[in-house]
Amino acid sequence: AQTVTQSQPEMSVQEAETVTLSCTYDTSENNYYLFWYKQPPSRQMILVIRQEAYKQQNATENRFSVNFQKAAKSFSLKISDSQLGDTAMYFCAFYNAGNMLTFGGGTRLMVKP
Amino acid sequence: NAGVTQTPKFQVLKTGQSMTLQCAQDMNHNSMYWYRQDPGMGLRLIYYSASEGTTDKGEVPNGYNVSRLNKREFSLRLESAAPSQTSVYFCASSGPRGPHSGDEQFFGPGTRLTVL
Repeated sequence: AQTVTQSQPEMSVQEAETVTLSCTYDTSENNYYLFWYKQPPSRQMILVIRQEAYKQQNATENRFSVNFQKAAKSFSLKISDSQLGDTAMYFCAFYNAGNMLTFGGGTRLMVKP
Repeated sequence: NAGVTQTPKFQVLKTGQSMTLQCAQDMNHNSMYWYRQDPGMGLRLIYYSASEGTTDKGEVPNGYNVSRLNKREFSLRLESAAPSQTSVYFCASSGPRGPHSGDEQFFGPGTRLTVL
């Protein structure tokens, strides 16, 4: 069975600074997908970034980027120039053929002014 | 485009009561999903539907039934609610490829259900 672990239940960062959220996963598959979802206080789940395991290049979306280390089964999210609107729960999720989307327990991020 | 809509937004039930959560999407997606989110945890898959007319169990299906009414609508039914089913329920959809393709899932706003 796939498992996704987010070891940081809570984090905080000052506005305009950079923060990195950690995620590790366990799988025997070679081809799969990884996601970071954001859940603000409104509860709406919003996709932040997506990485395909066969792609060597780390995905980037504006201020959000990932550090994908396939051998280490690590998928961390870096948020640059943090903004107050980044305050939310962040969930790492893992998806492969033959299985469904599996979520980690989440990291609560607080951006302080 | 409304995306994924869910009704109701909030519901309080007594133990043993039944109810149906409704979900609809207007993105012409083939696949739809029901998740539950408990405090301090990520989402867990209850049931999914890869296409109209098919449904499959997810990680936590016990106590629930689903119906894929048509391509747009996917409902979740609690036949006899229990306090352990107190949770926030999310519906999601993805497409145009199947649920194993890695397509992005789009989520509804959630239903907060309390069972007393």
